[in-house]
Amino acid sequence: QKEVEQNSGPLSVPEGAIASLNCTYSDRVSQSFFWYRQYSGKSPELIMSIYSNGDKEDGRFTAQLNKASQYVSLLIRDSQPSDSATYLCAGEAGGTSYGKLTFGQGTILTVHP
Amino acid sequence: EAQVTQNPRYLITVTGKKLTVTCSQNMNHEYMSWYRQDPGLGLRQIYYSMNVEVTDKGDVPEGYKVSRKEKRNFPLILESPSPNQTSLYFCASSLSAIYEQYFGPGTRLTVT
Repeated sequence: QKEVEQNSGPLSVPEGAIASLNCTYSDRVSQSFFWYRQYSGKSPELIMSIYSNGDKEDGRFTAQLNKASQYVSLLIRDSQPSDSATYLCAGEAGGTSYGKLTFGQGTILTVHP
Repeated sequence: EAQVTQNPRYLITVTGKKLTVTCSQNMNHEYMSWYRQDPGLGLRQIYYSMNVEVTDKGDVPEGYKVSRKEKRNFPLILESPSPNQTSLYFCASSLSAIYEQYFGPGTRLTVT
């Protein structure tokens, strides 16, 4: 199993819909989790970080972490064309590998008007 | 302006010719990291540094070297580049590994 794996894309949703992005992780990545957004030709930028089980909301974005099932998700409500980008899930290893970050392969999201 | 800078932004070189990509941050961050990005593979961590003189291997360290002699700088060294190191490279910094990482603009490297 890959350490961090994102659901296959690309994902296409209509404007105003909810976009759901999912990520699973292995036992080697178990502490802190992040969602980054990367526009084409640009650098990644942080959307959300989540450290404990449950939901974390920030505006139109909600991150969900379930450590028992080893998945983390990102919901984007009221999707806008400006949300069209590649979304990267990342996990930090913790413990003796503190500082080691592993990214998923990314999910391309397209929001069409 | 708080930023991470990388130089050069674009580089075309030949196999075996040593090169260094510089990375510098002005935010007094302790944590710095190098990634490569290849189509379909996402970002893969090459090396990271928790602080001055402390570096550790990421997932793909083979063929790369790093050093952290000063807090602000974290250069990536390819002593004998090969074509499979053709990639887009990003440097990033943060207060620590569990906080937001600020990425540089990227360096596109081509090794022929």
